[in-house]
Amino acid sequence: GQNIDQPTEMTATEGAIVQINCTYQTSGFNGLFWYQQHAGEAPTFLSYNVLDGLEEKGRFSSFLSRSKGYSYLLLKELQMKDSASYLCAATNDYKLSFGAGTTVTVRA
Amino acid sequence: DSGVTQTPKHLITATGQRVTLRCSPRSGDLSVYWYQQSLDQGLQFLIQYYNGEERAKGNILERFSAQQFPDLHSELNLSSLELGDSALYFCASSGSGQGAVGYTFGSGTRLTVV
Repeated sequence: GQNIDQPTEMTATEGAIVQINCTYQTSGFNGLFWYQQHAGEAPTFLSYNVLDGLEEKGRFSSFLSRSKGYSYLLLKELQMKDSASYLCAATNDYKLSFGAGTTVTVRA
Repeated sequence: DSGVTQTPKHLITATGQRVTLRCSPRSGDLSVYWYQQSLDQGLQFLIQYYNGEERAKGNILERFSAQQFPDLHSELNLSSLELGDSALYFCASSGSGQGAVGYTFGSGTRLTVV
């Protein structure tokens, strides 16, 4: 079966850093995705980790530890437009198993 | 525009009715995936088609069915609708051999059952 856990909500101040943790237990794990989703819209791709370690892409970084079944998404220099739901998803190659999402609220 | 087209964008229907959601994949993509996103749940994988054939099934109810046509567009049929079927339904497509790495999501169909 698939079990993806992430916090429900997080709040941070504009310009700050927020780290969203995700733990997973899945069969046939191939990699870990992070998506951003604004209310009522489609998920948009942020990052994909296959190997252990940190992947940095501008203000967003993602980390994966396969042995611990753990990932995090780091959002730096938060902007108001970063207020959204962030979805952690594990893949077994063809399908994605999503966590329930973490709603991040950025306050001025 | 992601290249994946879903119609209609919004659908309101009564309990017990049947609806069809349509998805046209990105040009060249052979795989189509359907996901359901309810308010109280995350995105749930429903079903995958590859070049007209069903490839994988997830948590899809027996009241739901899907197919992929020779032109590669796909339809998701929902019947005997219940209030709990109200959700956002997303379609995604990917190219041959790309799997989840090549996912492109459509903008979704919001279904409201009243």
